[in-house]
Amino acid sequence: EAGVTQFPSHSVIEKGQTVTLRCDPISGHDNLYWYRRVMGKEIKFLLHFVKESKQDESGMPNNRFLAERTGGTYSTLKVQPAELEDSGVYFCASSPRTTTGELFFGEGSRLTVL
Amino acid sequence: KQEVTQIPAALSVPEGENLVLNCSFTDSAIYNLQWFRQDPGKGLTSLLLIQSSQREQTSGRLNASLDKSSGRSTLYIAASQPGDSATYLCAVRFGDYKLSFGAGTTVTVRA
Repeated sequence: EAGVTQFPSHSVIEKGQTVTLRCDPISGHDNLYWYRRVMGKEIKFLLHFVKESKQDESGMPNNRFLAERTGGTYSTLKVQPAELEDSGVYFCASSPRTTTGELFFGEGSRLTVL
Repeated sequence: KQEVTQIPAALSVPEGENLVLNCSFTDSAIYNLQWFRQDPGKGLTSLLLIQSSQREQTSGRLNASLDKSSGRSTLYIAASQPGDSATYLCAVRFGDYKLSFGAGTTVTVRA
């Protein structure tokens, strides 16, 4: 069974540009989460989808970040326009709907904003 | 505020020694606690998940304990090997769906 996959693994962009990160959760997992770690900080929650619905987006830093989950399958996280402080590693995780609560993480997408 | 703390930040031991990694959290009303391993440049690999009703979980050389009343979890790795070198992260689910992470303990096992 394929795990959580994320693309791209690394993106380098200029300040002001747009970047879109993609996450494919484990098949059949209704819950999808985005987390990120910026330099020197702990991993922080960004938002949570149940199927295609946003359950909790309290961790989204500002309105430059937009997350979508088309048809309850894959998810995208767009940053527009990117700022220097957006640099970090963005992790996606998924879990089944009825669950012990165990989350399965992807490899992460490293974003570098110059 | 619900916080998760991991001490020490780094640990170096000779091969064969047992590892003891600590995690403390500020709120005893937790749903579960998950230990992860992260290798450099890689994602998070789930090691053990302890539900709030459990006291410990074991997998091979790994054993994790949970003491909600004192707000602590300990991850034990028996007979450490150089391949155990990695960063170990503790994450607590405090009741909603979010995980709160500690900063991690970076372990080096010397051959």
